[in-house]
Amino acid sequence: DAKTTQPPSMDCAEGRAANLPCNHSTISGNEYVYWYRQIHSQGPQYIIHGLKNNETNEMASLIITEDRKSSTLILPHATLRDTAVYYCIVRVNSGYSTLTFGKGTMLLVSP
Amino acid sequence: DADVTQTPRNRITKTGKRIMLECSQTKGHDRMYWYRQDPGLGLRLIYYSFDVKDINKGEISDGYSVSRQAQAKFSLSLESAIPNQTALYFCATSDSLTTGTGTYNEQFFGPGTRLTVL
Repeated sequence: DAKTTQPPSMDCAEGRAANLPCNHSTISGNEYVYWYRQIHSQGPQYIIHGLKNNETNEMASLIITEDRKSSTLILPHATLRDTAVYYCIVRVNSGYSTLTFGKGTMLLVSP
Repeated sequence: DADVTQTPRNRITKTGKRIMLECSQTKGHDRMYWYRQDPGLGLRLIYYSFDVKDINKGEISDGYSVSRQAQAKFSLSLESAIPNQTALYFCATSDSLTTGTGTYNEQFFGPGTRLTVL
């Protein structure tokens, strides 16, 4: 899987949008961008994934730049329960590929 | 995710002991994975299995072995535990889904097993 770069930590006020950046400048044309999060020592949880178009689901939105070298995960109205480590992962969208986790971004949502 | 269970949840053992961590799933998925996580680091893949007859080494398989007893069960063994295997261990499962955005396999993780080797 291609490497990703994320800031080690970010802060966000409760109720505000949390925008988590990810750089993946060496992403290949057949690689997707995935986001997972891990709430303190629990198992990671899938959030969203995309190829080149922006994606939205009930949890978050994913904005991918036109050159696909970076992306942003947006939590539109962050709550205290969104405090977690967020992992940006790029991988080939094959049923036989695996996930490679980096260190992620620790998002702290404060009252 | 309650559909993926791991036993035990916590284990303290001594160097040289044989340890087995077990994972069971009720999601009906073919694919199962074992990861370890060290403090401050992301998860690293130990072994994975795409079906009952398939076993593959991951990034850090040395010192570990696995057994896929059935579609729903995937066990991780430490034949002779050592202190640097002290970590949080996660099991995960996935299926392969084909949608308009291609084939992807969302992974569902168990609650983790905290293993301490003294």
